[in-house]
Amino acid sequence: NAGVTQTPKFQVLKTGQSMTLQCAQDMNHEYMSWYRQDPGMGLRLIHYSVGAGITDQGEVPNGYNVSRSTTEDFPLRLLSAAPSQTSVYFCASSYHRQGWMSTDTQYFGPGTRLTVL
Amino acid sequence: DQQVKQNSPSLSVQEGRISILNCDYTNSMFDYFLWYKKYPAEGPTFLISISSIKDKNEDGRFTVFLNKSAKHLSLHIVPSQPGDSAVYFCAATGNAGNMLTFGGGTRLMVKP
Repeated sequence: NAGVTQTPKFQVLKTGQSMTLQCAQDMNHEYMSWYRQDPGMGLRLIHYSVGAGITDQGEVPNGYNVSRSTTEDFPLRLLSAAPSQTSVYFCASSYHRQGWMSTDTQYFGPGTRLTVL
Repeated sequence: DQQVKQNSPSLSVQEGRISILNCDYTNSMFDYFLWYKKYPAEGPTFLISISSIKDKNEDGRFTVFLNKSAKHLSLHIVPSQPGDSAVYFCAATGNAGNMLTFGGGTRLMVKP
């Protein structure tokens, strides 16, 4: 299994440009999510999905769009990049939580380092 | 307002000694807590977890302690090894499914 893969690894954009960060998993996980990591802020949830065709917003969704047409793929779109979106982006996947006081281990991809000039 | 806080951005310990990483939370709805470890240029990897009905969980050299009344948890690594040098993130989840709320991370450096 490849686990969670992300492309590209690095990207430099100019303000106003658009791009899509790709994420794919081969573990048949229902749950997928996107986080951004900024210094001192930890990882903050952008968007998540509990299955194909179902997406919802996380803590910091503004400026990002997602879709989930298949179980395997969960792309993150930046429609008009801004310098505030300079960050490291991580995609994660897991089986959907089965009950209270538990969770399923989330597996993270290697990250995409994005710089917006 | 951060619901999960790791107040020490960095920690340095000698090889063979104990490393103690701390985490505080404010949301009473959190019922499950996790620690993730992250090496440079890699994604975080799951290390250990604890549910709110327990106060301790142990896995080899790693032990997590939970003090619900103080809304505080800690990760103990004994003995510390140079390969443990990484950034450690505390995370919490509640009745919102798989959504994780992360702390800001603590960079651990274990000196040989």
